[in-house]
Amino acid sequence: AQTVTQSQPEMSVQEAETVTLSCTYDTSESDYYLFWYKQPPSRQMILVIRQEAYKQQNATENRFSVNFQKAAKSFSLKISDSQLGDAAMYFCVLTGANSKLTFGKGITLSVRP
Amino acid sequence: NAGVTQTPKFRILKIGQSMTLQCTQDMNHNYMYWYRQDPGMGLKLIYYSVGAGITDKGEVPNGYNVSRSTTEDFPLRLELAAPSQTSVYFCASSLTGNYGYTFGSGTRLTVV
Repeated sequence: AQTVTQSQPEMSVQEAETVTLSCTYDTSESDYYLFWYKQPPSRQMILVIRQEAYKQQNATENRFSVNFQKAAKSFSLKISDSQLGDAAMYFCVLTGANSKLTFGKGITLSVRP
Repeated sequence: NAGVTQTPKFRILKIGQSMTLQCTQDMNHNYMYWYRQDPGMGLKLIYYSVGAGITDKGEVPNGYNVSRSTTEDFPLRLELAAPSQTSVYFCASSLTGNYGYTFGSGTRLTVV
């Protein structure tokens, strides 16, 4: 079975500062994919970033980057130069050969102006 | 390009009623999914399909049924609605199953 753990329910960051959201996971598969999804108050699920387990290089998408530690089964998201529009719930998500997504419980990020 | 379209966006059901949540995608994706999101929680998989004519149960299938007669459509049927089915329902699709998923905007269902 696959599990995803997001132990911090809430975080807050000052606008323009950097924040890191933590995630750990567990899977018995060697080939899997990890994602961070953003869910703003509009309820829409938005893909933020994707990481393939076989790639050692950490994924980056503009102000968003990950720290993927495969041996530790850790997958944290770093948001640089935080903006008010980054305020949302963020989900760490895992998928493997069965193509089913396993979600963490999510973390609510607030951005202080 | 509409992506994944879910209807309705909101619905109130009485206990024991039935309804179908519609989901259509126009991206020719093989993989389609139904998830539910309870307050303050992540999404849990109800049913999924890897292609027309093929469906399989997810983590929380009880009380639901699905069908996949075409690539585009993946309706979710609720039979004998119960208060425990009050939730937000998301339909999603994916081309390969692991590249990324496109989600619909969700259906907020309340059973009273």
